[in-house]
Amino acid sequence: GAVVSQHPSRVICKSGTSVKIECRSLDFQATTMFWYRQFPKQSLMLMATSNEGSKATYEQGVEKDKFLINHASLTLSTLTVTSAHPEDSSFYICSARDPGTGPYQETQYFGPGTRLLVL
Amino acid sequence: AQSVTQLDSHVSVSEGTPVLLRCNYSSSYSPSLFWYVQHPNKGLQLLLKYTSAATLVKGINGFEAEFKKSETSFHLTKPSAHMSDAAEHFCGVIDHAGNNRKLIWGLGTSLAVNP
Repeated sequence: GAVVSQHPSRVICKSGTSVKIECRSLDFQATTMFWYRQFPKQSLMLMATSNEGSKATYEQGVEKDKFLINHASLTLSTLTVTSAHPEDSSFYICSARDPGTGPYQETQYFGPGTRLLVL
Repeated sequence: AQSVTQLDSHVSVSEGTPVLLRCNYSSSYSPSLFWYVQHPNKGLQLLLKYTSAATLVKGINGFEAEFKKSETSFHLTKPSAHMSDAAEHFCGVIDHAGNNRKLIWGLGTSLAVNP
């Protein structure tokens, strides 16, 4: 399957600082990427859909000014957690949509995740 | 509205015995269905997907799933469990409505494999 990388894999920061997480599709172009948050022992919670060249679409309850998303190229999306606080500590996972050959052929491929700890 | 129900939050099997992880879905459209596996502190790896072709789908690591429209099910099976199969497994359905197609997730099934 296609490969999606995510960097950094782990980050520890002080409260009030900003953290940027990168998501790259390595062997295909992704006009759409997704950002998820996962709490321990829980399923994935979609935060936002990142669209290349346009604004991200945020899910209800997700603060767009808190979680800044930029999708400047077909292979890179970034998530910046601004003014991070301890409650933002979590596992963040990105995915990239491979459209395949048609609308029913699309598949999401996932990055390895970023563990954020805010002290 | 799309939804996914994974009927078991936890399944425990012995190594070498069959695995069955159950998934039911609701969809207003012809769905695309997926099974992913997640090992601790890792991302999700695609096991297999159904995308309107053959109803019996073969995936990686010996896993299979059968799309049964009449039962709205997409259960994941494997004839013989291996210790490396122990992980969290997620079933998902693509919502094809609109342009912003999102993967709707089940809550996950934790598979334990006992020696």
